[in-house]
Amino acid sequence: GAVVSQHPSWVICKSGTSVKIECRSLDFQATTMFWYRQFPKQSLMLMATSNEGSKATYEQGVEKDKFLINHASLTLSTLTVTSAHPEDSSFYICSALTGKGTEAFFGQGTRLTVV
Amino acid sequence: QQQVKQSPQSLIVQKGGIPIINCAYENTAFDYFPWYQQFPGKGPALLIAIRPDVSEKKEGRFTISFNKSAKQFSLHIMDSQPGDSATYFCAASKGTYKYIFGTGTRLKVLA
Repeated sequence: GAVVSQHPSWVICKSGTSVKIECRSLDFQATTMFWYRQFPKQSLMLMATSNEGSKATYEQGVEKDKFLINHASLTLSTLTVTSAHPEDSSFYICSALTGKGTEAFFGQGTRLTVV
Repeated sequence: QQQVKQSPQSLIVQKGGIPIINCAYENTAFDYFPWYQQFPGKGPALLIAIRPDVSEKKEGRFTISFNKSAKQFSLHIMDSQPGDSATYFCAASKGTYKYIFGTGTRLKVLA
């Protein structure tokens, strides 16, 4: 199957700082990527849809100024959590659609801890 | 309309048993129903998926049963193994693959 890689796998940052998470499609081009957030023992909640070369579409209740998404190339989307607070601590997961558009493949996730 | 209800929340079976996880949806526009397996600290991995024009699909030990009229679908794991212990999520989407996930089922297979 197609491979989606996230970096870093985990990150600890101080409250008030910003942190960037990368999502790369390693062996295919992805015009569309999705960003999810998952709290412990809970389901995945879609945060935004990222399309290459255009602005991301955010789900209701997700602060676009806090969670900056950039999809500058067909293989890379980034999520920047700005002015992070402890309540932003979570597991962030991206997924990418293959060119065939038949299914989405998920990255391994990034554990963000804000202290 | 956008919810996908999943049950049970947790499940314990003996090795070799057949755990069954159920999902129900409301939006009849959904046309793609995947199941994902997630291990702790890892991203979800696609197990098997089905579209509404098929009532059953098998891939290895995993089977999806789909009941379009009842708007329900389920995952069966044949001959379950301890290595199958994980959290399983159903999902539903229409076209854009903007998935709506179920709440997850934590499965434990006892050796």
